Amino acid sequence: AQKITQTQPGMFVQEKEAVTLDCTYDTSDPSYGLFWYKQPSSGEMIFLIYQGSYDQQNATEGRYSLNFQKARKSANLVISASQLGDSAMYFCAMRVGNNDMRFGAGTRLTVKP
Amino acid sequence: DAGVIQSPRHEVTEMGQEVTLRCKLISGHNSLFWYRQTMMRGLELLIYFNNNVPIDDSGMPEDRFSAKMPNASFSTLKIQPSEPRDSAVYFCASSRTPNSPLHFGNGTRLTVT
Repeated sequence: AQKITQTQPGMFVQEKEAVTLDCTYDTSDPSYGLFWYKQPSSGEMIFLIYQGSYDQQNATEGRYSLNFQKARKSANLVISASQLGDSAMYFCAMRVGNNDMRFGAGTRLTVKP
Repeated sequence: DAGVIQSPRHEVTEMGQEVTLRCKLISGHNSLFWYRQTMMRGLELLIYFNNNVPIDDSGMPEDRFSAKMPNASFSTLKIQPSEPRDSAVYFCASSRTPNSPLHFGNGTRLTVT
């Protein structure tokens, strides 16, 4: 069975500092995709970054990077130079093949001024 | 690209009434997902379709819930009869390929009194 785990219900970070949000996953399928989404208080789901299981390099998108450690089955999101607008819920998700996409429980990030 | 469009944005109804939620996919997308989000359960996958065909409806809570995809661009989620415990935000999302991210609609906030 596929499983996504986010163990940090809440995180705090000082503005302009970097923060890492943890995500571990479990699947026996060699082909899968890992995704991170941001959900601000307004409620919309915003796609941030994608990592394919066969990708050799860690994905980066602006201030977002994905620390992909395949052997450990972890896909942590790193946000550099945090901004007040980064305060939101962050969800890790996995999709195996052409199957469904499952989400973790989420981490609420609060950026302090 | 107009994005995934959900209607209505808010729905308030009385217990026992029928509720129909609507979703218009992004043109060219061939996978459609319905999720329900609550504080207690997080993001739950209800059902998903590939190429208009329901693939997995194991997340549908009970027979009161049904989903259809009458064509490649439109889907409905129906609850009949509705109950107070169905109160949640219901998201529809679509994707072009298995490796592409899900694009979410803005959600329908359902309140059943």
